[in-house]
Amino acid sequence: EPEVTQTPSHQVTQMGQEVILRCVPISNHLYFYWYRQILGQKVEFLVSFYNNEISEKSEIFDDQFSVERPDGSNFTLKIRSTKLEDSAMYFCASRARASLAKNIQYFGAGTRLSVL
Amino acid sequence: ELKVEQNPLFLSMQEGKNYTIYCNYSTTSDRLYWYRQDPGKSLESLFVLLSNGAVKQEGRLMASLDTKARLSTLHITAAVHDLSATYFCARRGGTSYGKLTFGQGTILTVHP
Repeated sequence: EPEVTQTPSHQVTQMGQEVILRCVPISNHLYFYWYRQILGQKVEFLVSFYNNEISEKSEIFDDQFSVERPDGSNFTLKIRSTKLEDSAMYFCASRARASLAKNIQYFGAGTRLSVL
Repeated sequence: ELKVEQNPLFLSMQEGKNYTIYCNYSTTSDRLYWYRQDPGKSLESLFVLLSNGAVKQEGRLMASLDTKARLSTLHITAAVHDLSATYFCARRGGTSYGKLTFGQGTILTVHP
C-alpha cells in the first residue's frame, strides 16, 4: 500500500541552526501538508502546498519556515534558524485530487525535531 | 476561526465496556475525520463523515455526525486492549485546499 515517507525519523540540532525535514508523498497525490505536534498537545496545521506554491499557511509558519518541492517526488520543510520552541513532531501529509469525495489526508510517520 | 473540542481528554475503560468520545466544532464546515494515533506513531485514518446523519462502523468503533448540533461521536463497543490509543477528530477548513483543524485528542486506555 502506498505511504508517505519521512526522513529522518529523529533530528537533533542546536538552537540557531538550519534544518531540512524531508517527505516523499504518495506518488499520484496533488496536495501536500505539514503539521506539527508539540509533545502532549494537539496536531497543528502549518502549511498546505498545491500546484508548486503555498496555498494556505498558519500563523506558526513565519519567515523562518519555508517549503519546497524540488523535484517530482520530494517535499521539504526548512526551518532557517531553529528555536527551542520548534521542538516537536513534524508530520507530512498528502492527498489526492479534490474531486474525490473523501479527500483523506495520509500522514507520514513523522520527524521528531529536538532543538537543544 | 474553526475550533474543535473533544471530550473527554482522558478515558480509562475496562475491557468489555462501552463508551463515547464527543467532538464539537464551532462553525459549519464539510467533512469530519477521525484519526487514531499510537504512541510515537503517525495518524491513521479511521472514518470520514461527509454529511448530516452519516454513520460509519468498523469493528468495535462507530462514528456519527450531526451537523445541526455541530457534533460528532465515536462510540466504542465492548472495548479491548488493542483499542488503547489517542483518538483525534478533525474538521476540514473552509477552503478547497483542505487544511485540517484537530481536536485536542482523547487518550484512551483499556484495562483488562
